[in-house]
Amino acid sequence: QVQLEQSGAEVKKPGASVRVSCRASGFTFTGYYLHWIRQAPGQRLEWIGWINPDTGDTKSAQAFQGWVTMTRDTSISTAYMQLNRLKSDDTAVYFCARRLGTGFAFDVWGQGTMVTVSS
Amino acid sequence: EIVLTQSPGTLSLSPGERATLSCRASQSVYTNYLAWYQQKPGQAPRLLIYGASSRASDVPDRFSGSGSGTDFTLTISRLEPEDFAVYYCQHYGGLIRWTFGQGTKVEIK
Repeated sequence: QVQLEQSGAEVKKPGASVRVSCRASGFTFTGYYLHWIRQAPGQRLEWIGWINPDTGDTKSAQAFQGWVTMTRDTSISTAYMQLNRLKSDDTAVYFCARRLGTGFAFDVWGQGTMVTVSS
Repeated sequence: EIVLTQSPGTLSLSPGERATLSCRASQSVYTNYLAWYQQKPGQAPRLLIYGASSRASDVPDRFSGSGSGTDFTLTISRLEPEDFAVYYCQHYGGLIRWTFGQGTKVEIK
C-alpha cells in the first residue's frame, strides 16, 4: 500500500546535525513532491520545505534557509532531510508528507521521527 | 504571511453531537488552498478535507468543509468515539509558504 516510512528516533547534542530519511513505497517516488514538516511538543505544525524527487529541486521556508538540506536517492525511493547546527528548540517530531498530486494538501504522511536535542 | 487562527481552542462534546470548528485567515484566501487534518496522540496528521470542501479518500461523509474568503468551517455532523482528536487547518500561500493553524481539540464531555 501507499506509505512513507521514516527512520528512527535520534538524540543529538546542540550544534550537531541530524539526518532523517523517508522511504516511499506503493507509488511512483518521482511522481510526487515530498514535504518536511515538524511539530515541537504541544505546538502547531511547522512547514520546513519540499523536494521534487524527479529533479532534486528543493525549496525551504525562510526560517530554515541556510541550515536545512533536502536530498533524495531515486534508486531506493528515499528522501532525506538534514538539519544542521541543532538547538534545543529544534526538539520536535519531524514528518515527511506527500503532496496531493496537483492539490494543495498532504495526503500521505510518514509516522514521524522524534529528534531530541539535549546536552 | 497569512496567519490561520482556529477557534475554539477546545470543544467539549458528547458522542452523537455536532461539532463545528472554525479557521479564520488573516486575509482572504483562495478556497482551493485550504485543507483540514485530524491528528490523534502519537500519530501523524490525517488529511480530511482539501480545497476547503472536498473529502479525501476514505473519509466518512459525516465530515464536511465549507467557507470562503477568510472564514472556513469543518463540521462533524455526529461525533463518533474515534473522532475525538485535534484538528488543524492548513493553507498554501505560495512556493515556500505552507502554514497551519494552532489546532482545535475535540474532547469528550
